[in-house]
Amino acid sequence: DGGITQSPKYLFRKEGQNVTLSCEQNLNHDAMYWYRQDPGQGLRLIYYSQIVNDFQKGDIAEGYSVSREKKESFPLTVTSAQKNPTAFYLCASSIDTGAYNEQFFGPGTRLTVL
Amino acid sequence: AQTVTQSQPEMSVQEAETVTLSCTYDTSESDYYLFWYKQPPSRQMILVIRQEAYKQQNATENRFSVNFQKAAKSFSLKISDSQLGDAAMYFCAYRSAFKGGSEKLVFGKGMKLTVNP
Repeated sequence: DGGITQSPKYLFRKEGQNVTLSCEQNLNHDAMYWYRQDPGQGLRLIYYSQIVNDFQKGDIAEGYSVSREKKESFPLTVTSAQKNPTAFYLCASSIDTGAYNEQFFGPGTRLTVL
Repeated sequence: AQTVTQSQPEMSVQEAETVTLSCTYDTSESDYYLFWYKQPPSRQMILVIRQEAYKQQNATENRFSVNFQKAAKSFSLKISDSQLGDAAMYFCAYRSAFKGGSEKLVFGKGMKLTVNP
């Protein structure tokens, strides 16, 4: 089955630690995205990548980093510089960044900072 | 910057009845796309329906249809014959058609729909 997988489903982190969220897709999509969702809020874009070895900051990139070494993978690292990292993180992909193209979402990772 | 507003945080509907979810947006652009996404308890976002701003005809997908009023910047979602499986958070979203802006979906805060049996 084609789709997007995110792991782990739940993640706990101590303050001051970096943590990496995994996102993999087998849809052969060029574009991938990371969104953050807070309670009572819509999704906000953290980073996106249009192609391998390229990525751009979204609206709330501070305290986050990404890499795109393979087409299928777009991991997100939440660094200790992120002031309030507890949130639900959603990864998405699309054929490209053209506006018409549907963004397909993964099941998400719930990150909690202890 | 574009903004999307969903003014009703919660709604409820009886099974088999019709419900309309409202959404307004603000933009200075003339070409864009609008979307309704559903987020069930599993929390995976699912596209329900999309509308191209240059099309006057309202989009329809089975029991889901939209009322797109471009001049009023309004984009409501109508769910007909509501089913228990329609219970979810619903998000309205905007996406610019212009390069340099089309990579991002701008979301409203969402609305929780409850379907009563």
